[in-house]
Amino acid sequence: QQQVKQSPQSLIVQKGGISIINCAYENTAFDYFPWYQQFPGKGPALLIAIRPDVSEKKEGRFTISFNKSAKQFSLHIMDSQPGDSATYFCAASGHGQNFVFGPGTRLSVLP
Amino acid sequence: EAGVAQSPRYKIIEKRQSVAFWCNPISGHATLYWYQQILGQGPKLLIQFQNNGVVDDSQLPKDRFSAERLKGVDSTLKIQPAKLEDSAVYLCASSHTSSGNTIYFGEGSWLTVV
Repeated sequence: QQQVKQSPQSLIVQKGGISIINCAYENTAFDYFPWYQQFPGKGPALLIAIRPDVSEKKEGRFTISFNKSAKQFSLHIMDSQPGDSATYFCAASGHGQNFVFGPGTRLSVLP
Repeated sequence: EAGVAQSPRYKIIEKRQSVAFWCNPISGHATLYWYQQILGQGPKLLIQFQNNGVVDDSQLPKDRFSAERLKGVDSTLKIQPAKLEDSAVYLCASSHTSSGNTIYFGEGSWLTVV
């Protein structure tokens, strides 16, 4: 129940395209769902986060879509740029629950 | 605001040797985490401190790993004796509270055990 599943494992997108990464969870106690971006040699950095009281959150080119009934959430990167090439981790946490990270998606945006 | 500081950044040791990693969290952050990130995987929590008390160490291999957070600020993670499978990045992170808030990661300490 503590697991967060993430797909795809890797993703190649052309510059200007849309990148979509999906995550699913089981533990209904989770109430905070962040996405982290990690560049090689760096620690993960918070990109965007959502709570289950909203179905969508947008910050610039990054959007989280959240489906509470399906226990799924996804990250959409619009107008993907080569600088977005990184590994993306979804995560989940909640009251009394530690952060649990997905296995990561390696995104490559081709120029 | 200064970020989470970690040292050393890189360490290569032989199996059965010992190693220690140091972390200084963001000022004012009561919660400190140590994560292990094996290449190609997501971070896995090793231990979580709230001030200087341990909140969760259920995934810490206590026969070889130990961690302390004296005075509720800096923390040290020690591995002794190291095994080949301990080769990973050890990430320190901190947050204001223990759930629901953003956790901020350091750049990690890269360990290679040969």
